[in-house]
Amino acid sequence: GAVVSQHPSRVICKSGTSVKIECRSLDFQATTMFWYRQFPKQSLMLMATSNEGSKATYEQGVEKDKFLINHASLTLSTLTVTSAHPEDSSFYICSADDLAGGTETQYFGPGTRLLVL
Amino acid sequence: QKEVEQNSGPLSVPEGAIASLNCTYSDRGSQSFFWYRQYSGKSPELIMSIYSNGDKEDGRFTAQLNKASQYVSLLIRDSQPSDSATYLCAVFDNNDMRFGAGTRLTVKP
Repeated sequence: GAVVSQHPSRVICKSGTSVKIECRSLDFQATTMFWYRQFPKQSLMLMATSNEGSKATYEQGVEKDKFLINHASLTLSTLTVTSAHPEDSSFYICSADDLAGGTETQYFGPGTRLLVL
Repeated sequence: QKEVEQNSGPLSVPEGAIASLNCTYSDRGSQSFFWYRQYSGKSPELIMSIYSNGDKEDGRFTAQLNKASQYVSLLIRDSQPSDSATYLCAVFDNNDMRFGAGTRLTVKP
């Protein structure tokens, strides 16, 4: 099946620093990748849709200048949390859809747990 | 606003029983439906996808879709403690995947 990786799996940083999270589709090309955030005991919240070669589409309420998304290739999207604050501490999960596989199935990465001190 | 609704639970069933998870959606034009399982602290993993009305079986899992009623369900037969997790219903239409809030399932030994 389609495999999506994320790096790092866990990161602790100081308030005010920036953190970059990578999302890679390992065995398929993903024209679209999605970034989610999940707070403890809450459901996934879509932050943005990332399209290869174009600007990301952000959900309402998500600051595009704070959460920078770059989808530079068909297998890599990055999310940079700029000037992170403790309230940004969360579980960040990416997913990618394998449209070449003929379905809209989204495959999820293992997630990145961010803790901002 | 397109909605995907799930009973948040918790749903508790004894080991060996059938667990029934339900999901309704508001967009009648939705075409693709998915069930994901999410263990605590982990990312979701795909269990089933279903695209046409009726039942689709895969091992102990059966997905049921009724587009007229805008209803999709997941049945887990012979529930095991390892099935204890949150189950997310997802509906795809027009390049937009929407998730329900999830149903927390506990299978008691």
